[in-house]
Amino acid sequence: AQRVTQPEKLLSVFKGAPVELKCNYSYSGSPELFWYVQYSRQRLQLLLRHISRESIKGFTADLNKGETSFHLKKPFAQEEDSAMYYCALRPLGDDKIIFGKGTRLHILP
Amino acid sequence: DVKVTQSSRYLVKRTGEKVFLECVQDMDHENMFWYRQDPGLGLRLIYFSYDVKMKEKGDIPEGYSVSREKKERFSLILESASTNQTSMYLCASSPRRAASYEQYFGPGTRLTVT
Repeated sequence: AQRVTQPEKLLSVFKGAPVELKCNYSYSGSPELFWYVQYSRQRLQLLLRHISRESIKGFTADLNKGETSFHLKKPFAQEEDSAMYYCALRPLGDDKIIFGKGTRLHILP
Repeated sequence: DVKVTQSSRYLVKRTGEKVFLECVQDMDHENMFWYRQDPGLGLRLIYFSYDVKMKEKGDIPEGYSVSREKKERFSLILESASTNQTSMYLCASSPRRAASYEQYFGPGTRLTVT
């Protein structure tokens, strides 16, 4: 079955500390993976996609096919990173996305 | 700049009422989606439409129906609202089979059924 698992519902991190939001997936083929973010009172938006291999707002995510993971990382957390983060998987050839249940990131001052 | 708009930010309805949630996108996208967003449950797909008059059930279609008469507009209908349909409803759109795929979301409608 195709599934995206985010094991942490809530992650609290001090400002300046490293952040890692975990994401594991279950998919037999080569998936396309994304991180979406929703800041308070804003709409859900794409943060980054694994294909681009880019860093957005200091965040990076590497696809590890062996561990079927796509963890989101940032070396130094900022208060404005507080938000809801969703990991998502797009099966090959599909236009639907499977979302994880989300992790709320709370940056402590 | 892609724009997805939803007709209401907040809606309060009574049990048994028929409820219409409207979504409009201005980017000529083929795909449109309706999700429910609930704490601890994430985003769950209700219905998906890949073309005018075409629809597919998502993970939780029970109690809902949809209408797509025009490419830019996708409506979610609650035939007889119930309290367990109290939720945040998100609409999204995307291009079809795009190499650089992204779903664009509306601001959401928070529906309360009393």
